[in-house]
Amino acid sequence: AQKVTQAQTEISVVEKEDVTLDCVYETRDTTYYLFWYKQPPSGELVFLIRRNSFDEQNEISGRYSWNFQKSTSSFNFTITASQVVDSAVYFCALSEAEGSQGNLIFGKGTKLSVKP
Amino acid sequence: NAGVTQTPKFQVLKTGQSMTLQCAQDMNHNSMYWYRQDPGMGLRLIYYSASEGTTDKGEVPNGYNVSRLNKREFSLRLESAAPSQTSVYFCASTRDGQPQHFGDGTRLSIL
Repeated sequence: AQKVTQAQTEISVVEKEDVTLDCVYETRDTTYYLFWYKQPPSGELVFLIRRNSFDEQNEISGRYSWNFQKSTSSFNFTITASQVVDSAVYFCALSEAEGSQGNLIFGKGTKLSVKP
Repeated sequence: NAGVTQTPKFQVLKTGQSMTLQCAQDMNHNSMYWYRQDPGMGLRLIYYSASEGTTDKGEVPNGYNVSRLNKREFSLRLESAAPSQTSVYFCASTRDGQPQHFGDGTRLSIL
């Protein structure tokens, strides 16, 4: 069965610190997608990144970076020089390959608080 | 550029009342989904519709029904609301290979 584990329930950092959010997944599929979504205090879900299982290259987008390692079934998310606006709940999610129903299996989320 | 629109945004019901949550998307997506979000539980899939005319159960379907009215609209119905269904409900849509787009959510309280 598919499963996503975000072991960190809450993290609190001071502005400008770097922070890494962990995500470990389980799947028997050889082809799958991994996602990160952000949920700010306003409640909407904001898509951040999608990665397919054949692309293990790390990705950087501004202060955000993602480290995908199939060997450890992990897809970790790092925020460099955190800002107060990064305070949110972050969800990691997994779905089956393209062409399927695309159902997302979510982790329980990590609440990040960035203090000034 | 509306994306995924959910109505209503907030609702309070009494136990035993019925209610339909509405969802519409304007992105010509094939697949639509209903999730519920409870504290500490992340989002869990209630029902999904892979294409117009089809619906399937997700992880937590009990107490709910859905209708894929057309390609744009996917509604979620609570026939007899229970306090355990107090939650935030999200509708989402996608097409093959694309990330899901979410609505802003419906906050539902059942007394």
